[in-house]
Parts: sequence; C-alpha cells; structure tokens
Amino acid sequence: VQLVESGGGLVQPGGSLRLSCEGSGFTFTDSYMNWIRQGPGKGPEWISYISSGGHTTFYADSVKGRFTISRDNAKKSLYLLMTSLAVGDTGVYYCARDQYGGYKFDSWGQGTPVVVSA
Amino acid sequence: QSALTQPASVSASPGQSITFSCTGTSSDIGDHDFVSWYQQHPEKAPKLLIYDVTKWPAGLSSRFSGSKSGNTASLTISGLQPEDEADYYCASYTHSATMVFGGGTRLTVL
Repeated sequence: VQLVESGGGLVQPGGSLRLSCEGSGFTFTDSYMNWIRQGPGKGPEWISYISSGGHTTFYADSVKGRFTISRDNAKKSLYLLMTSLAVGDTGVYYCARDQYGGYKFDSWGQGTPVVVSA
Repeated sequence: QSALTQPASVSASPGQSITFSCTGTSSDIGDHDFVSWYQQHPEKAPKLLIYDVTKWPAGLSSRFSGSKSGNTASLTISGLQPEDEADYYCASYTHSATMVFGGGTRLTVL
C-alpha cells in the first residue's frame, strides 16, 4: 500500500491550494479516504472524509465551507481543495486510508507541507 | 469536536508496563467502540496500533493492548523497549459521524 501526497507549498493568507494523493498497491475504489493535518508541534487533526464512491463527505468544523474533498477513482487519486487559507491552516497534510470504515487509518502517506504566511 | 484528553507525558524504564489514558465524552468514546490508538515517531506519519478498542492490525506486536470503560479508553504497552519512545494518540468516532484525536502523550523510555 502506498499513498503519495503532492501540492503543498507556501501560500498567502486568503489564498487557495489543491492537494493531491495518489494511491497504489490496493483497491482504491473500495477504500474510504481521509485528509488529516498536523500543525507544528501539535497532534493530528482529522479534517475530512470521503466515501469509496465519493458520494458522502464529512468535514471538521474548522474547515467546513472552506475545504472540499473529492476523488477520481479512475486515476486512483484523492484531492483536497483548500480556500480562504489562514495562518492556522499551516501544517503537514496527510492522506490516509480507512479500509474498513469507522475511521481506522491503517495506511498514511508521507505528508505534504502547507505554509500559510504573508 | 473537542480533542480527547490525554496526559502530556509519561516515562518508564525498559521492561516495565505503562498505561496511557484517553478521556472523552458520551458523544465520542462513550458512544461506541470505534476507538483507535496511533504511535508517531519524530518526522514520521502516525502508525495504527489498535482499532475498535482492542483489535490489532495484522502483523502488529501483541505488546500493545487496548481497553475502554465508560468515557475513558486506555492503551497498555508491556515489556517496554527503547524503540517505544514516541508520541501516542488516541482517536474516536463521534456521534456526528466525524472523528477526533486526542492531544497526545509523549512516552520517554528512561
């Protein structure tokens, strides 16, 4: 199982960024997927979930209305569109597989860093 | 979606057993058995140790065990080894179909 995130970088407050996560070594279409972030010196924070077919999504209150999770099963890829970014959104963003449901993250990517700064 | 409560740090000696606590509410830990534990070494992604309160992912050491009573979950590590020094996070499904992590406990193996 391999998950590889990309798309992180430096962005100004109020800006937007789109993260990608490509999966391999497993049946991507059967897996629930999530985005989890970790701010500097902080613990992980779950931010979003998407069902295997992409029809059901959930968000943490901290990002609801600003972030959008999506997936393209044909490309075995997961996405996170982040808008209205704030300094507090700074951190490492991980995609994580939840193979069986119930938010059990059995596989994680290496993470992609996002820095929101003027 | 308030974070679950974990002690900031604990320490123990090699060979000892240590138990971490994780306190939530009746809206998360107390509401069901979808409680997980993760281990994180510096500069690494978290690793799933325990899921559904007591279950191990395939291939994981049985030195790790989990339990739950009411709104509090616990992780026990037996036979501490130097490589167990890491941050440990609990996590729980919530009644609003989202999930929440704990603030984490840093384990120091003396």
